[in-house]
Amino acid sequence: QVQLVQSGAEVKKPGASVKVSCKASGYTFTSYYMHWVRQAPGQGLEWMGIINPSSGYTNYAQKFQGRVTMTRDTSTSTVYMELSSLRSEDTAVYYCAREGCGGDCSSDAFDFWGQGTMVTVSS
Amino acid sequence: QSALTQPASVSGSPGQSITISCTGTSSDVGSYNLVSWYQQHPNKAPKLMIYEVSKRPSGVSNRFSGSKSGNTASLTISGLQAEDEADYYCCSYASSSTPNYVFGTGTKVTVL
Repeated sequence: QVQLVQSGAEVKKPGASVKVSCKASGYTFTSYYMHWVRQAPGQGLEWMGIINPSSGYTNYAQKFQGRVTMTRDTSTSTVYMELSSLRSEDTAVYYCAREGCGGDCSSDAFDFWGQGTMVTVSS
Repeated sequence: QSALTQPASVSGSPGQSITISCTGTSSDVGSYNLVSWYQQHPNKAPKLMIYEVSKRPSGVSNRFSGSKSGNTASLTISGLQAEDEADYYCCSYASSSTPNYVFGTGTKVTVL
């Protein structure tokens, strides 16, 4: 079965960087795009960007351009999201989410999600 | 890119039907049949309920249905059940030279 397992919670100081991992299993890693979505405490979902695990192609939401880097390691079926110059407003749960429609199909939707990684930015 | 607009809360009694609206613009909801809906229970990851406006992934109850008219998409939950109490978010692909997505503001569904 499809599983996305993310790295554990992080506490960072303002100005630092954080790197969150998302290890995929149960499907062909390079066949599905991966997205990152975040959710601040008590707030809604916010799309951050997309990575093509096959080619490494990335596209980031304008809000995060210059601060976010998404990479992948095909040997371990893992994608990474690094966010730099952290500020208190970046305190949130960060999710990886596979692009798909729940089966052997493609769609601009997010069919499987990681469990989320809480990133706290505090001095 | 501004968030899609959803009502903050919707409520209904067990067995009733409720509809959640999701209003965007001609640059997102109005231009693409790529609206999806997610259910999120407290402290849980979101779950895909509807994709491409009205399609249900395998395993999702047929009590959930989606539609779209112009710049507004809608999610209807029929035969409301206690387990449907959760937050719901819409999401749309948005026009751009590169892939771009926008979520709705979220709706809290309460089963009375």
